[in-house]
Amino acid sequence: LAKTTQPISMDSYEGQEVNITCSHNNIATNDYITWYQQFPSQGPRFIIQGYKTKVTNEVASLFIPADRKSSTLSLPRVSLSDTAVYYCLVGDQIKAAGNKLTFGGGTRVLVKP
Amino acid sequence: ETGVTQSPTHLIKTRGQQVTLRCSSQSGHNTVSWYQQALGQGPQFIFQYYREEENGRGNFPPRFSGLQFPNYSSELNVNALELDDSALYLCASSLDGVVDTQYFGPGTRLTVL
Repeated sequence: LAKTTQPISMDSYEGQEVNITCSHNNIATNDYITWYQQFPSQGPRFIIQGYKTKVTNEVASLFIPADRKSSTLSLPRVSLSDTAVYYCLVGDQIKAAGNKLTFGGGTRVLVKP
Repeated sequence: ETGVTQSPTHLIKTRGQQVTLRCSSQSGHNTVSWYQQALGQGPQFIFQYYREEENGRGNFPPRFSGLQFPNYSSELNVNALELDDSALYLCASSLDGVVDTQYFGPGTRLTVL
């Protein structure tokens, strides 16, 4: 399984854009990049998943360069409720439902008023 | 809401005791995975059950065991509790064979004294 590296913490202010970059230098050809969000005392929640270039949904955007050795989760115009831990995961999408998820330490994002 | 529920919400036990945690999967999901999350760390995979059979295990000793029932509810049993077993225990359900993510419950907070 590809190992991921992401910043331990980030601070931001309401209304700003938050970008979290994750490094995954040994990502495999079949691997997808998935981001989860976790609030205190709750289970992780799926945010977004992508393979290459850019993916956007109602919550976030995911930017993946051509070499796929890193990815950036972009949260537009954050609010206080976006304060959470964000995890970057790399794995085979086809097996995602049946495979174990390997979480790193995550990035703790604090949004200030 | 993910449709995955866990009980109890909180639990306090003493060293050496045994504990059973319960999870009710999202309707129709035939795969359940259990994770242990220590304070300040990412979730760690314990094991997974698919159609009532264990289908993969992480680096946890045999005193961690599980069951999955025909109605897709499941249990995590931990014998001979140790202080380091204090953590948030998460279950996640998914539908094997479908390209999908895993849906996490809110977790059970176990404290071992």
